[in-house]
Amino acid sequence: AQKITQTQPGMFVQEKEAVTLDCTYDTSDPSYGLFWYKQPSSGEMIFLIYQGSYDQQNATEGRYSLNFQKARKSANLVISASQLGDSAMYFCALEDTNAGKSTFGDGTTLTVKP
Amino acid sequence: DVKVTQSSRYLVKRTGEKVFLECVQDMDHENMFWYRQDPGLGLRLIYFSYDVKMKEKGDIPEGYSVSREKKERFSLILESASTNQTSMYLCASSLRQGSGNTIYFGEGSWLTVV
Repeated sequence: AQKITQTQPGMFVQEKEAVTLDCTYDTSDPSYGLFWYKQPSSGEMIFLIYQGSYDQQNATEGRYSLNFQKARKSANLVISASQLGDSAMYFCALEDTNAGKSTFGDGTTLTVKP
Repeated sequence: DVKVTQSSRYLVKRTGEKVFLECVQDMDHENMFWYRQDPGLGLRLIYFSYDVKMKEKGDIPEGYSVSREKKERFSLILESASTNQTSMYLCASSLRQGSGNTIYFGEGSWLTVV
């Protein structure tokens, strides 16, 4: 069975500082993927970044980077230079490449303070 | 621009009513999903479909059924709505082949059962 855990229900960060959102996972499949999505208060889900289990380098997309530690089964999202618009809920998701579906964590609410 | 469209943004239904939530995607995706989102519980998969007329149970299928008669359309049905089905429902779609396929979400349907 696949499991994904986000242990931080809420996080605060000062504007322009970096923040790390934690995500740990458990799967017995050798091939899997990890996604991060952002959900602002309006409700839409926005894709941020993806890391495949066989990718050698950590994924980066602009101010977002994924700190992938395979041995520890963690895939933390790092947001650099936080902006007020980064205030949202963030979801980590574990992709089951065989079944074609993903399991989502409970989410972390990030609040950026001015 | 890719799009997943959910037919109703806000619905109020009475206990015992039959409820249809419709979802259409214009990306020719094989996979379609219905998730339920509740505070503190993240996104939970209700059903998914990887092809026309095919469906698979997710983590919480009880009280729900689905229909996929055409590739672009995936309907969620509450046969007899109950108050514990008050929630936000998210439809999503993705490609099936390979891995790292971004899941595209609709805007969500807020259902209140009274």
